[in-house]
Amino acid sequence: QVQLQQSGAELVKPGSSVKISCKASGYTFTSYDMHWIKQQPGNGLEWIGWIYPGNGNTKYNQKFNGKATLTADKSSSTAYMQLSSLTSEDSAVYFCARGAAHFDYWGQGVMVTVSS
Amino acid sequence: DIVLTQSPVLAVSLGQRATISCRASQSVSISSINLMHWYQQKPGQQPKLLIYRASNLASGIPARFSGSGSGTDFTLTIDPVQADDIAAYYCQQSRESPNTFGAGTKLELK
Repeated sequence: QVQLQQSGAELVKPGSSVKISCKASGYTFTSYDMHWIKQQPGNGLEWIGWIYPGNGNTKYNQKFNGKATLTADKSSSTAYMQLSSLTSEDSAVYFCARGAAHFDYWGQGVMVTVSS
Repeated sequence: DIVLTQSPVLAVSLGQRATISCRASQSVSISSINLMHWYQQKPGQQPKLLIYRASNLASGIPARFSGSGSGTDFTLTIDPVQADDIAAYYCQQSRESPNTFGAGTKLELK
């Protein structure tokens, strides 16, 4: 069965960076886009971008250009998102999700808390 | 960006029909393909795909969920509502990048 297992919660300082992971299993990792979505506490969902692990192509929501960097490791079927220059506005839960137009499988989410 | 507008809250009684709407700021349809999708999210959980391309039931989703609409106006219907359906519901469009989501409709019990 398809599973997306994300890394654990992060507490990070303002101005720093964080890299979170999403390990895929149960399907051919290189054949599907992997998307990343942000959800701030009590708020809705915001699409960050996608990566196609087959060739490393990426596309970002312009709002997250320079904030998020998406990568993928085919050997371990793991997608990564690095968030840089963190501020309190980056405190949120971050989900990975498989899909093209719609997102049929989601990771459990990673809570990132930015605090000094 | 395409803005999706949902009513914040819908109160329903168990066993009744719930109709959740989503209006897009511009058409999300290409020819006969409606690029609108629906998700359910319960507190502390990840969203779950319910309906894709406006009217297609996702795998494992009960038939009491259905979707309809085209162009700019879409509807998710739950009939009949069960206690397990109390959650937030989000629409999402993939017609144009960036993908965007509605702000969500919280389904509550009357």
